[in-house]
Amino acid sequence: GAGVSQSPSNKVTEKGKDVELRCDPISGHTALYWYRQSLGQGLEFLIYFQGNSAPDKSGLPSDRFSAERTGGSVSTLTIQRTQQEDSAVYLCASSFPGFRGYTFGSGTRLTVV
Amino acid sequence: QKEVEQNSGPLSVPEGAIASLNCTYSDRGSQSFFWYRQYSGKSPELIMFIYSNGDKEDGRFTAQLNKASQYVSLLIRDSQPSDSATYLCAVNHSGGYQKVTFGTGTKLQVIP
Repeated sequence: GAGVSQSPSNKVTEKGKDVELRCDPISGHTALYWYRQSLGQGLEFLIYFQGNSAPDKSGLPSDRFSAERTGGSVSTLTIQRTQQEDSAVYLCASSFPGFRGYTFGSGTRLTVV
Repeated sequence: QKEVEQNSGPLSVPEGAIASLNCTYSDRGSQSFFWYRQYSGKSPELIMFIYSNGDKEDGRFTAQLNKASQYVSLLIRDSQPSDSATYLCAVNHSGGYQKVTFGTGTKLQVIP
């Protein structure tokens, strides 16, 4: 597609439920990243996929968080047993192999009540 | 010490003035430096990247890099009210790695 597509745009969930966030990167972008941004805070790196290489999961805050990327394209970020501190905007980005910076999607605003 | 540091602001400048945004970083091996603009409630948008020491100009924007001082800045000439946003500095990790670390951003307010 023309841009990075994320869905849903907004998600309200009850504490303890699992959620799945989806990202469809720009066609041809081999690298895909997940960040989250809490209210008034900077961007926190979560996970990075590059082609068929093993992902860099060093930013995942706990084992409740996981992500996968199928076929080198669409990625799903899963948060199990959501907590209120998980409330944030989850941003997906992708980039070309030559890397001239990321293109971000519009984000998923997650609210845990 | 944070990996990427920015003054949170707000930085207020009158319309037509030059806005100067600054950023320092800790990883001396970093090779790539980026400036993103983020309007309230929106996603960050890449506006500049710079790899080499010196200045890089694109329209009203100039990025300046000094690797010896581990310092990168963004100048916005002829500031417009539409430039009012938070500006995020981002720095890659050394070793050619594509992951970048973002600063917390500087909020710029351009006063008409």
